[in-house]
Amino acid sequence: EIVMTQSPATLSVSPGGRATLSCRASQSASTNLAWYQQKPGQAPRLLIYGASTRATGVPARFSGSGSGTEFTLTISSLQSEDFAVYYCHQYNNWPPTYTFGQGTKLEIK
Amino acid sequence: QVQLVESGGGVVRPGRSLRLSCAASGFTFSSYGMHWVRQAPGKGLEWVAVIWYDGGFKYYGDSVKGRFTISRDNSMNTLYLQMNSLRAEDTAVYYCASGRGYNYGYSDYWGQGTLVTVSS
Repeated sequence: EIVMTQSPATLSVSPGGRATLSCRASQSASTNLAWYQQKPGQAPRLLIYGASTRATGVPARFSGSGSGTEFTLTISSLQSEDFAVYYCHQYNNWPPTYTFGQGTKLEIK
Repeated sequence: QVQLVESGGGVVRPGRSLRLSCAASGFTFSSYGMHWVRQAPGKGLEWVAVIWYDGGFKYYGDSVKGRFTISRDNSMNTLYLQMNSLRAEDTAVYYCASGRGYNYGYSDYWGQGTLVTVSS
């Protein structure tokens, strides 16, 4: 099983600032990596798939990068609605055993 | 518009069974893989199971293997999760989600979730 480790667990950033979230895989996930945003009481929302492709309707301030075992989600110019929990998710291995990271909580500084 | 609506959650005693349903609309259900993903109270996301678009392949997370069964009825646009031998640690909100891309791996559509509580 590929273990996904996100850092930091909590990130405090001011509105208008830039947030950089990291995700590390215990073995290669190639570029089969997605990022989700979840707000309290809501279902997750797909932000990024294929490590760097924004999902439909996702603002350009969200960007993903990385391949193999190191991935990054960057949110530039943070808006109030961006403060949430973010999960990375790999879907690379076969047979499929998809795994999520433990989440990074992005909070207002 | 796309909708995934889960139902069937509730309170159940340990060792008993429960079946969840997920009704899909607004997209071509029969072309998508589908997942169940769960979230224990105050915890992160845990992948539970996936089923291929035609039901031909099914895979499970280690924590539910042998106890849960995923299935689908493409004529009814409905996804199911049969949960047997339930344990307290199965308590969670259960989401159904679409599966796209490599290994039907990422999910662009999610339901609102249904809460399953396993308690005596």
